[in-house]
Amino acid sequence: SQQGEEDPQALSIQEGENATMNCSYKTSINNLQWYRQNSGRGLVHLILIRSNEREKHSGRLRVTLDTSKKSSSLLITASRAADTASYFCATGRINKLSFGAGTTVTVRA
Amino acid sequence: DVKVTQSSRYLVKRTGEKVFLECVQDMDHENMFWYRQDPGLGLRLIYFSYDVKMKEKGDIPEGYSVSREKKERFSLILESASTNQTSMYLCASSLADLAGVRNEQFFGPGTRLTVL
Repeated sequence: SQQGEEDPQALSIQEGENATMNCSYKTSINNLQWYRQNSGRGLVHLILIRSNEREKHSGRLRVTLDTSKKSSSLLITASRAADTASYFCATGRINKLSFGAGTTVTVRA
Repeated sequence: DVKVTQSSRYLVKRTGEKVFLECVQDMDHENMFWYRQDPGLGLRLIYFSYDVKMKEKGDIPEGYSVSREKKERFSLILESASTNQTSMYLCASSLADLAGVRNEQFFGPGTRLTVL
């Protein structure tokens, strides 16, 4: 069942700008993960944040998690053309993940 | 580097044909997954395997079966392909994670299946 829902569905930004996307979910989780998918390819894991963490950084990525609101955000700073992709949040419980429908990000040169 | 490979990138089959999609991982992962991805619907889990010969239905198992005879290989079988099974099929693997703490998945490149 689809647990996470990303918002917005699509985002278009200029190179160098920041991109922010949000994920809301419904039930309790052990962790929340973000993945990237380039057009027609498989998903690539970006970052995992545990339910007892509030913020995590990895390079130009910043993820926040608010378990009281059942929401997370992914911020990509100083975007590049190569960041053009679909981004999915996935909520983790034992062994399995539930994925949202994704946010499509287009970075214009 | 971790690697998940899928037998075909593109596949065209006819209605009623039996279709095999194969997935191989080289990371000694216990868990393997088959998803299908359709526009606007995200990834939906078809089947999950947590050990050799063990399987568990996902959200949309109807019309599909799976086989895991060896730890590194997980096959998805469409017994009688239908046009509504035209989709992108993604295989993934992960470590066993009963604590639900470190269960990131590693994906193959996907197989785009068209059923005519």
